[in-house]
Amino acid sequence: NAGVTQTPKFRILKIGQSMTLQCTQDMNHNYMYWYRQDPGMGLKLIYYSVGAGITDKGEVPNGYNVSRSTTEDFPLRLELAAPSQTSVYFCASRLRTGANYGYTFGSGTRLTVV
Amino acid sequence: AQTVTQSQPEMSVQEAETVTLSCTYDTSESDYYLFWYKQPPSRQMILVIRQEAYKQQNATENRFSVNFQKAAKSFSLKISDSQLGDAAMYFCAYRSYSIGRNEKLTFGTGTRLTIIP
Repeated sequence: NAGVTQTPKFRILKIGQSMTLQCTQDMNHNYMYWYRQDPGMGLKLIYYSVGAGITDKGEVPNGYNVSRSTTEDFPLRLELAAPSQTSVYFCASRLRTGANYGYTFGSGTRLTVV
Repeated sequence: AQTVTQSQPEMSVQEAETVTLSCTYDTSESDYYLFWYKQPPSRQMILVIRQEAYKQQNATENRFSVNFQKAAKSFSLKISDSQLGDAAMYFCAYRSYSIGRNEKLTFGTGTRLTIIP
């Protein structure tokens, strides 16, 4: 079981460029999330999805887009990268029901916008 | 909206000693979950312990235990017999009990724990 896999692990973008952060989970989890972690801070929710075809905004969605065409994949798209998007990005997932209400996190993507 | 506060940016403890990390939260809900996550230098977020608000008994996982004070909205983490591998950032997190569109983890700002050999 690979869990939650994020790619790439590191990336440097120039201002105005675009990129997609990939997230895949193989646990058949319904719920998936994208968080960002700024230096010295906790994680803040960007977007989340409760199932394929359903997405919703979190606390800090501006400058990002997501899609959820399959249960396994939840990519995060950055359009027109800005220095304020320099951060570490985490993808997470969990089952909707049952005792397994814990979140499984990926290992993160460190993004620098210069 | 729920908020989570960790008032100790940094803590240190001698190896084999006990340390307590503080967390307070603000909510109007009666049912919810509380978590402690560990983030070592590898960046991986690792679940340490979780507590359901409707359970009066404090959760325990080996050397890790919590002191959950629901009325005071306090959720501290006690690490006994501290080990070098415990060095990490520790995050307290809150999640509503209800599942749905507003479900998310709300994190505190973290406490960096250093273990002194």
